[in-house]
Amino acid sequence: EPEVTQTPSHQVTQMGQEVILRCVPISNHLYFYWYRQILGQKVEFLVSFYNNEISEKSEIFDDQFSVERPDGSNFTLKIRSTKLEDSAMYFCASSGSLRGSGYTFGSGTRLTVV
Amino acid sequence: LAKTTQPISMDSYEGQEVNITCSHNNIATNDYITWYQQFPSQGPRFIIQGYKTKVTNEVASLFIPADRKSSTLSLPRVSLSDTAVYYCLVGDILTGGGNKLTFGTGTQLKVEL
Repeated sequence: EPEVTQTPSHQVTQMGQEVILRCVPISNHLYFYWYRQILGQKVEFLVSFYNNEISEKSEIFDDQFSVERPDGSNFTLKIRSTKLEDSAMYFCASSGSLRGSGYTFGSGTRLTVV
Repeated sequence: LAKTTQPISMDSYEGQEVNITCSHNNIATNDYITWYQQFPSQGPRFIIQGYKTKVTNEVASLFIPADRKSSTLSLPRVSLSDTAVYYCLVGDILTGGGNKLTFGTGTQLKVEL
């Protein structure tokens, strides 16, 4: 079964540093997403990406965040000047173009800001 | 998006059938009902999706009454490994991909021996 792969599985960073979370979506999927889940809270949508541009973003996704698809396989989330409250699980997901097709999540990156 | 209401938690024992009901009174004509499962420190995983009546796959069944204002996820003969959070999502996916998913708090199912 195709998988969405995320690296690293756990990242610890100091407050104020920049981090890049990496994802390899399913190869024939066209839509890519980032979600986050703060410990004990809901899974929250951050951003969706299609055709090399952001198609939708939430209020959480402010100027501190950016996404990029640097090549044909990777999809990255960059968080600049990290804050303690950015500590969370970050999930990448991808989906196809057909109705309900294969919305698949990765296993996540646990980001800890100290 | 239709608001969903589901129990915060449920307890069961191995081998029992578990039914988790989700209320979605404001479901729209184009909305589908989708259930996801999430284990600790993992991403949500698609379980089943339906529009009306009954849908069954190798993992679960989904029962949707005629008025579609609620739905019931049925897990037959649960095991310890079914301990997870189960989310009911309702939304319009007729337009295909690219839709964001809105998760509620879900139902924490705990299965014991």
